[in-house]
Amino acid sequence: RKEVEQDPGPFNVPEGATVAFNCTYSNSASQSFFWYRQDCRKEPKLLMSVYSSGNEDGRFTAQLNRASQYISLLIRDSKLSDSATYLCVVNEVGLQAGNMLTFGGGTRLMVKP
Amino acid sequence: DTAVSQTPKYLVTQMGNDKSIKCEQNLGHDTMYWYKQDSKKFLKIMFSYNNKELIINETVPNRFSPKSPDKAHLNLHINSLELGDSAVYFCASSQWLAQSSGNTIYFGEGSWLTVV
Repeated sequence: RKEVEQDPGPFNVPEGATVAFNCTYSNSASQSFFWYRQDCRKEPKLLMSVYSSGNEDGRFTAQLNRASQYISLLIRDSKLSDSATYLCVVNEVGLQAGNMLTFGGGTRLMVKP
Repeated sequence: DTAVSQTPKYLVTQMGNDKSIKCEQNLGHDTMYWYKQDSKKFLKIMFSYNNKELIINETVPNRFSPKSPDKAHLNLHINSLELGDSAVYFCASSQWLAQSSGNTIYFGEGSWLTVV
């Protein structure tokens, strides 16, 4: 079983649409959660952290459900520039401490005019 | 100024060769990483160094040998390259954190390795 699972997509949506991505993780001891964005042939970049209370950054809203081990990302009013792969990332801080990020396989979003 | 820089960006080489990828960060971080992204786009950690000390060494063939001369550099040397080593290798850095809140990891632009 994959440790962090995502629907690979692609999600093809028109500009202005609202789109939601989901992610599940298998390690119940996971401590922190993130969404990263990766453009084609580029490096991943942090989009936002995900907090238990849910958090919003402009058009982006992230939610965490620890009981279900489920993370979501909602994008409102999609822009062409939102087209990218969105990576669900889980930080498994343990005996080794530091940052042991586990990445999902990513969900590809394509926003069309 | 590039925060995490790695060279070369593209590398095409023959099977059996030995090659190195260099990485430097100017963020003042004390922890550096090598990640591998394969053709299926999964990013997997290979190594993690904190203050030049190896912390994480995932199941990676011992043909891969990281070297950290100082906190700002983490190089990756690969011996006897195989076709399956073809991938994108990302260097990254962050601050060491022994807490649950996590911390941002910054990635280099990636090194595209093709073994022919």
